[in-house]
Amino acid sequence: AQSVTQLGSHVSVSEGALVLLRCNYSSSVPPYLFWYVQYPNQGLQLLLKYTTGATLVKGINGFEAEFKKSETSFHLTKPSAHMSDAAEYFCAVRANAGNNRKLIWGLGTSLAVNP
Amino acid sequence: SQTIHQWPATLVQPVGSPLSLECTVEGTSNPNLYWYRQAAGRGLQLLFYSVGIGQISSEVPQNLSASRPQDRQFILSSKKLLLSDSGFYLCAWSEDRVYNSPLHFGNGTRLTVT
Repeated sequence: AQSVTQLGSHVSVSEGALVLLRCNYSSSVPPYLFWYVQYPNQGLQLLLKYTTGATLVKGINGFEAEFKKSETSFHLTKPSAHMSDAAEYFCAVRANAGNNRKLIWGLGTSLAVNP
Repeated sequence: SQTIHQWPATLVQPVGSPLSLECTVEGTSNPNLYWYRQAAGRGLQLLFYSVGIGQISSEVPQNLSASRPQDRQFILSSKKLLLSDSGFYLCAWSEDRVYNSPLHFGNGTRLTVT
């Protein structure tokens, strides 16, 4: 069975500092991996996705993530945090096999950016 | 381009009253459609998903139901709301038979049952 673990339910960084949000997954088959961002009282917006090919994926708003199969990780990073990055971030996985239409979600990480 | 509309944005309903939330998608055909619930401080819970008109899969036993009367229309309903039905409800769609297709979300409905 697939699962997703986001380490740290709350992360706080200073403006201009590196953002690192951790995601580890469990999957018996090659996964598709996604990061989403959710601002208060809004829906989720796709930041980036990994399907196949290049393991370093660039997304919107300056975020990127690296798929590391050996570590079963897909951590999200941004070199310099902005105040506008304060939001909830979700990692999700879908099996790259069969007729699976469902995503398995992490519980989310709330990112606070301090001035 | 594809868009997803979800309404209403907020709703306050008394216990025991009915519920109807609607979601429509434009700019695509035969999408997979999803209803999620997000309780305060918790993750996303998949309630229903649909791969076609009249085809509904229920993920969690509850007093909610879903219907898909048209290809791009997805409705979440309840005959009698419970306090525990309060939460943030999200509709989403993905491309059918494209397994690396991400989900695209609506703006959500904040439901408060009093």
